[in-house]
Amino acid sequence: QSALTQPASVSGSPGQSITFSCTGTSRDIGGYNRVSWYQQHPGKAPKLMIYDVSNRPSGVSDRFSGSKSGNTASLTISGLQAEDEADYYCSSYTGSSTVFGGGTKLTVL
Amino acid sequence: QVQLVQSESELKKPGASVKISCKASGYIFRNYAINWMRQAPGQGLEWMGWINTRNGNPAYAQGFTGRFVFSLDSAVSTAYLEINSLKADDTAVYYCARDILTAVFDIWGQGTMATVSS
Repeated sequence: QSALTQPASVSGSPGQSITFSCTGTSRDIGGYNRVSWYQQHPGKAPKLMIYDVSNRPSGVSDRFSGSKSGNTASLTISGLQAEDEADYYCSSYTGSSTVFGGGTKLTVL
Repeated sequence: QVQLVQSESELKKPGASVKISCKASGYIFRNYAINWMRQAPGQGLEWMGWINTRNGNPAYAQGFTGRFVFSLDSAVSTAYLEINSLKADDTAVYYCARDILTAVFDIWGQGTMATVSS
């Protein structure tokens, strides 16, 4: 199972909105609504931010939102803050396994 | 609180074995599967597979069969990852994570760094 495709890096200024993309195939993102997003700060464990395309776990800011169209999922962060600077990984269920994207490094300028 | 606590970092020689533990607390262990992920230095996350905490049945992702073994000691709410015949490219941080839904990992261990070097 090939990894999902994410841009290596994105950047934005405080207060801006920014959107990450995550592209897969009909065998993963396109076939299931079991898409999640994780935030990982350096040296820390990943943190679940979005699951099932657009659901936020309790405690996650409503500045984070998710969506999906076809084989591509997206994570949007609105009102960008310095603390949002981290790596972001998407993942998808494939019917028998889980596949992650390569990750996107977010820099807050 | 709900947490997974992993064992400390390991330094091993090529060909040796390593066993990493993942102790659960704050919830009923058998109610949620444990998944294992690998993150090589400077790289992304890879899903290694999972173990059913009700019956102990493991399932391994492609690329993680043969040398990798998932096991449980349910009496102490602990999952284990053993890697045999270690190679240099096994050097990575290994994470355990609980899945609240299939393929949704809501609680993660802090990670265990395994370094393989002669």
